[in-house]
Parts: sequence; structure tokens; C-alpha cells
Amino acid sequence: EAGVVQSPRYKIIEKKQPVAFWCNPISGHNTLYWYLQNLGQGPELLIRYENEEAVDDSQLPKDRFSAERLKGVDSTLKIQPAELGDSAVYLCASSLHHRGGNEQFFGPGTRLTVL
Amino acid sequence: AQTVTQSQPEMSVQEAETVTLSCTYDTSESDYYLFWYKQPPSRQMILVIRQEAYKQQNATENRFSVNFQKAAKSFSLKISDSQLGDAAMYFCAYRAPNYGGSQGNLIFGKGTKLSVKP
Repeated sequence: EAGVVQSPRYKIIEKKQPVAFWCNPISGHNTLYWYLQNLGQGPELLIRYENEEAVDDSQLPKDRFSAERLKGVDSTLKIQPAELGDSAVYLCASSLHHRGGNEQFFGPGTRLTVL
Repeated sequence: AQTVTQSQPEMSVQEAETVTLSCTYDTSESDYYLFWYKQPPSRQMILVIRQEAYKQQNATENRFSVNFQKAAKSFSLKISDSQLGDAAMYFCAYRAPNYGGSQGNLIFGKGTKLSVKP
């Protein structure tokens, strides 16, 4: 069974440019998560989807970040415009449901560098 | 707010030896879940072990076991017979149940970098 797929693995952009990250969760997983991982830190949740609905986006900086999960499968996270402080790893994860001890399966992440 | 603290930024162990990684957390909940995740240089987080707070018995997964002390809010990970492939960042994570106003999201510590010496 394929795991969580993310692309690109690496992205280098100039500040003020837009950037988008793509995530394909494990088939059948209803819940999809986007996390931000700064250097030397643990992941922090940006947004959580239940099917196609964003049920928790309280940590998403909505002035420059947006996300969508069309048809409740693939998801895209966008930053426009990017700032130097956005340099980090962006992780996508999925789980069957957002309940209890359900395991979250993580993708390999996208390392973003903003110059 | 719930917090997770990993007080050891880096740890080192000799191959085949045993190492213990520490984790403490702060919560007012009685029902929750605790996890240890491993993140190798490839960046892909992998679940190592999980513990339900209502279970008194410590979880074990092959060479990995935990020492769960609920009253002390401590959740340490013991790796026995350490192997070169165990070298990675290890993150402790807490998860409250998603009811009663809690979103039930994973809260991670800052991680411990484990090196394994041959």
C-alpha cells in the first residue's frame, strides 16, 4: 500500500513569490493534516480536513496561506506571497479518522527555502 | 494548554546498548493518548509506540518500550539492543480526546536527536 505522497520534496523560491505544495493521502483516509516543522522543532498543525471540510484551521495564517482538499482526496497548500520566515518543512499526514489513538501516517515533507 | 517537554536535545548510545529518552507533559485531562514518533534524515515521521492513558500497563513494541507514569505526567521511551538504524530524531506527542472543546490535535515536543555509535 502506498504511503502519503508529497511533492515537491524541495522548493527554493524568492521572497514574495507564490508556492504550492501537493499531498496525496493514503487511500480511504478521511482525515488529512498539514503541519509546519521549523528547524529544531516538532511539527505544528496548520489545518485539518475531514473529507473535504476544513474543520480546524485556527493555526493557519490566512492572510498568506490557503489550502483546499477537492473531492476529499488530494490537498494543496499554498503560500502567497512567501516570506523569509516561511522557510521550513511542510508535512502532510492522513489517518482513517480523527479519533482516539488513530495513527497519523506522515509523508516525507516538502522543504521550502525562501531567499 | 497542553505542553510536551523533551529535556534532552541530544542523546548517544553504543550499538547493542540500551537508552532511555525522556518526555514530560502537562494536561488537566484524565483521558488522552501519548505517542513516540521517529523521524530519520529522510524526514518521514514513523510511529514507534503509543500509550492510552487509561491503560496502566506500559506499551511495548519489540525493542521499544515505555515507562508511563500518569501521576508524574512522564512518558519515557526505552530502546533496547540499539541498532544503527535507530539513529534519528525522536518526538514525543500528546493527544487529548476530541470532545469537550478539545480539537484532539497532536502536540509534539521539540525532539531528541539520538546517535548510535558502532
